[in-house]
Amino acid sequence: AQTVTQSQPEMSVQEAETVTLSCTYDTSESNYYLFWYKQPPSRQMILVIRQEAYKQQNATENRFSVNFQKAAKSFSLKISDSQLGDTAMYFCAFMKLQGGSEKLVFGKGTKLTVNP
Amino acid sequence: EPEVTQTPSHQVTQMGQEVILRCVPISNHLYFYWYRQILGQKVEFLVSFYNNEISEKSEIFDDQFSVERPDGSNFTLKIRSTKLEDSAMYFCASKLAAETQYFGPGTRLLVL
Repeated sequence: AQTVTQSQPEMSVQEAETVTLSCTYDTSESNYYLFWYKQPPSRQMILVIRQEAYKQQNATENRFSVNFQKAAKSFSLKISDSQLGDTAMYFCAFMKLQGGSEKLVFGKGTKLTVNP
Repeated sequence: EPEVTQTPSHQVTQMGQEVILRCVPISNHLYFYWYRQILGQKVEFLVSFYNNEISEKSEIFDDQFSVERPDGSNFTLKIRSTKLEDSAMYFCASKLAAETQYFGPGTRLLVL
């Protein structure tokens, strides 16, 4: 079974600075996707960024980028120019590709606080 | 932009009562999911649903749980006899094919 580990329960950063959230995963699969979801205090789950395992290029979405190290099974999220609205729980998630109803396996999350 | 909706947003029930949580997935999506998140814990997979049948279910999804897609739009999760430990946030998600699941805003269930 796949597991996802987020080793930082809490982090904080000053507004406008850069922060990196760590995620490692364990799998024997070769075809999979990785995701970062954001959960603000409203508890809505919002997709931040997605990475396909077959792609060597790291995904980026505006201020959000990932460092995907497939051999090391590492998938960190970098948030540049942090904003107060980035304050949230961030969950790393793994999805094995199996031709249809793939489920997400989540890590325990990292609580990020952006300070003014 | 299309989105997944869930009702109710909050539900309080007595232990032993039945509850039905409702979801309207994004209209052209084909795969549907329920996840739950106990307060302070990670999000856990409950069940996936495709082509009018369950594709996969977790150990949590025991005989007390059932899912249904009664019409072309709704996707429901029923808990027959709620327990205190069923108190959690329940998320519905949907996707078109491979890749990204889109989540609803969740239903906060409190069992007293």
